Amino acid sequence: GAGVSQTPSNKVTEKGKYVELRCDPISGHTALYWYRQSLGQGPEFLIYFQGTGAADDSGLPNDRFFAVRPEGSVSTLKIQRTERGDSAVYLCASSLNPQGTEAFFGQGTRLTVV
Amino acid sequence: GEDVEQSLFLSVREGDSSVINCTYTDSSSTYLYWYKQEPGAGLQLLTYIFSNMDMKQDQRLTVLLNKKDKHLSLRIADTQTGDSAIYFCAEMQGSSNTGKLIFGQGTTLQVKP
Repeated sequence: GAGVSQTPSNKVTEKGKYVELRCDPISGHTALYWYRQSLGQGPEFLIYFQGTGAADDSGLPNDRFFAVRPEGSVSTLKIQRTERGDSAVYLCASSLNPQGTEAFFGQGTRLTVV
Repeated sequence: GEDVEQSLFLSVREGDSSVINCTYTDSSSTYLYWYKQEPGAGLQLLTYIFSNMDMKQDQRLTVLLNKKDKHLSLRIADTQTGDSAIYFCAEMQGSSNTGKLIFGQGTTLQVKP
């Protein structure tokens, strides 16, 4: 597609459930990023992939959060045992070059944990 | 530490210039960015500047960088109602070779007709 695509656009889940959020980067972009944006805040970095490998996962808040990119294209962010505090917009971005000079963002997935 | 700060709100009249300011703390930042976010939408990359530049102009947008004071500004000339949005400043740290961005809280720009 022409841009970064994220699905679903909205997700409501019950506390304690498992969720998966999907990101389709721009074709050919090797670098992929996940960010989390809480209400009224700027995005906060979660994890960076270069190709298939997670080169920097320093932003993942705890071990309930995990992300994969098995074929170096689509990525899935997985959250186990969701908590109300996980409610936020999860943004994915991709970049052509490894240094991510120009990162393009998707529309985000709004996750609500009830 | 990592910190990017912006004023939270700016209101201007249509046709006026808008100036949105940002300060950052990491002197090793390589690139500095401005993103625009409209309600319910993702982030749109507006422009960015390399840290060895002090100005960049792109149509109605002018970015000024004062590296000594770690101050970045975005000037929007002839502001239109369609410019109403949240504007985020972000820095890419020099110590990172991953492209990780540190964002400010965002400045809400309100353009009155």
